[in-house]
Amino acid sequence: NAGVTQTPKFRVLKTGQSMTLLCAQDMNHEYMYWYRQDPGMGLRLIHYSVGEGTTAKGEVPDGYNVSRLKKQNFLLGLESAAPSQTSVYFCASSYWGTPRDTQYFGPGTRLTVL
Amino acid sequence: GNSVTQMEGPVTLSEEAFLTINCTYTATGYPSLFWYVQYPGEGLQLLLKATKADDKGSNKGFEATYRKETTSFHLEKGSVQVSDSAVYFCALNQETSGSRLTFGEGTQLTVNP
Repeated sequence: NAGVTQTPKFRVLKTGQSMTLLCAQDMNHEYMYWYRQDPGMGLRLIHYSVGEGTTAKGEVPDGYNVSRLKKQNFLLGLESAAPSQTSVYFCASSYWGTPRDTQYFGPGTRLTVL
Repeated sequence: GNSVTQMEGPVTLSEEAFLTINCTYTATGYPSLFWYVQYPGEGLQLLLKATKADDKGSNKGFEATYRKETTSFHLEKGSVQVSDSAVYFCALNQETSGSRLTFGEGTQLTVNP
């Protein structure tokens, strides 16, 4: 049982390049989330999904797109990377998505945009 | 909107010292409250949680009590170890937040032998 996995672990992009971050979970969770972590700011929600084929905007969605084609996978895309998107990105998942439910986090992807 | 405020860090303690990390929140209604821990180079792990007022969450010697009257969820441990060195995040979740965890800024804890 691997839990939540993320690929890649590190990536360096040039301004304007595109990339996709992959999140996979093997816990049969319905809800999946993408957060970004910036120094001194905690984590902020980018987008989330309440089930296969669904996506919704979080607190800081601009410049990102997401897709949930399969229940176990949640992809985060950057179409034209900007230095402001330099951050650590965490994927999480939960079974019910209720406020009492625990969210399980992946190990993170460290992205640098030059 | 919802917000979480943690005591400013970093916090440096000697092994076996008593730990308190303060956390207060602003939210309407009755949120669930969480403490997550992030060890160096790793993702976040749930440390403990409380889902209603006066509940006490506990795990690995850490405790926190949900105090609605003071809107607080302070983290405590009676005797810290070097292995407790990590970043600790307080967070809340409630129905009106769209399944979103709202995090505090995190508190870096370093425990010296």
